[in-house]
Amino acid sequence: KAGVTQTPRYLIKTRGQQVTLSCSPISGHRSVSWYQQTPGQGLQFLFEYFSETQRNKGNFPGRFSGRQFSNSRSEMNVSTLELGDSALYLCASSHKPEGGLDYGYTFGSGTRLTVV
Amino acid sequence: TQLLEQSPQFLSIQEGENLTVYCNSSSVFSSLQWYRQEPGEGPVLLVTVVTGGEVKKLKRLTFQFGDARKDSSLHITAAQPGDTGLYLCAGLLGKSTFGDGTTLTVKP
Repeated sequence: KAGVTQTPRYLIKTRGQQVTLSCSPISGHRSVSWYQQTPGQGLQFLFEYFSETQRNKGNFPGRFSGRQFSNSRSEMNVSTLELGDSALYLCASSHKPEGGLDYGYTFGSGTRLTVV
Repeated sequence: TQLLEQSPQFLSIQEGENLTVYCNSSSVFSSLQWYRQEPGEGPVLLVTVVTGGEVKKLKRLTFQFGDARKDSSLHITAAQPGDTGLYLCAGLLGKSTFGDGTTLTVKP
């Protein structure tokens, strides 16, 4: 079956702009989580959606937002981009919220965002 | 404060050597997972451990969950260049929390 698909793979934006990233989970997975990965901070949790509801949110400013659609596809939006937002943004899907006990997460290949 | 501490942060070894990486916490986790990430890709789940004291083997990889479910280790026997990557542990505590990872380089 198809894996987790993230689009676009690469993105270059200018400070102050906004960006929308997309994630299509594995068919049947209702949980989608977003992570920011940087060399200095590792994998930082952004938020998790399950059945269109945000279940958990990490410690990121309000410029970071997300949503999930009825087909489980998810988008995340970052407004007023800053240089420090440059990172690999990873989406992960799972059968159950928080990855469940036995299933874990299936990650996409990520979107590499560069803010100049 | 990092909930999950991984050590060492970097490890560079020769092909054929054995190695162990560690994942430690002061918190008790209901489950713990290990992932491997290669450059330019997302992490790939290797194993989930649930029971304190549990040991799981995946070919040359051995995973152990501490008795108190606060720590875990990953042991690789006879490492190969294909084992090169970032190894991440993740604990389930309300939400999944990731350690900072161990970057492993196996030289031929």
